Amino acid sequence: GQNIDQPTEMTATEGAIVQINCTYQTSGFNGLFWYQQHAGEAPTFLSYNVLDGLEEKGRFSSFLSRSKGYSYLLLKELQMKDSASYLCAVEDSNYQLIWGAGTKLIIKP
Amino acid sequence: GAVVSQHPSWVICKSGTSVKIECRSLDFQATTMFWYRQFPKQSLMLMATSNEGSKATYEQGVEKDKFLINHASLTLSTLTVTSAHPEDSSFYICSATTSDPYEQYFGPGTRLTVT
Repeated sequence: GQNIDQPTEMTATEGAIVQINCTYQTSGFNGLFWYQQHAGEAPTFLSYNVLDGLEEKGRFSSFLSRSKGYSYLLLKELQMKDSASYLCAVEDSNYQLIWGAGTKLIIKP
Repeated sequence: GAVVSQHPSWVICKSGTSVKIECRSLDFQATTMFWYRQFPKQSLMLMATSNEGSKATYEQGVEKDKFLINHASLTLSTLTVTSAHPEDSSFYICSATTSDPYEQYFGPGTRLTVT
């Protein structure tokens, strides 16, 4: 079957760095998305990885290893507004999205 | 975990025709279902919020007469794109939520191409 795993909840301190992992087993792979979702709002696109390696975008970076079925989202210089759920989603061979359950990130002062 | 399905996965239709997309919560009853639209590498755009047995609440700028939403049961919501045009071509994603505890589960999406 198809499966996406990510931690349910993580806690970090303001100003610190946090890494949210995502492992996947899917029928083919066409890309991996990371989304941020604040409570009551639609998910916001953060990154899209197709090739192996690290992609940096400001305070957020996303890494992909297709051979390991693994990705992580790295958040630096954490701010209180980064408290949200972070969703990992993989595009399978049919370009359908397989969603992780999301990681709730709690930022403490 | 909870599963949300969408049917069809892909649909190609001619301009002027209507297309119905189904969203089902397979192993739970969803108090609320959301419909989103996604353009390539962009955020999901919330189109409407649908509660079972009541009229959907549409986001500003979304034509309710064009995007008909029916939420007839706690496990099924449908989105009908009426008189489709090429600019309606997009990836439509639904999500379903439970109330206690609050959890949101996303469907795999439906890719609509209007020719």
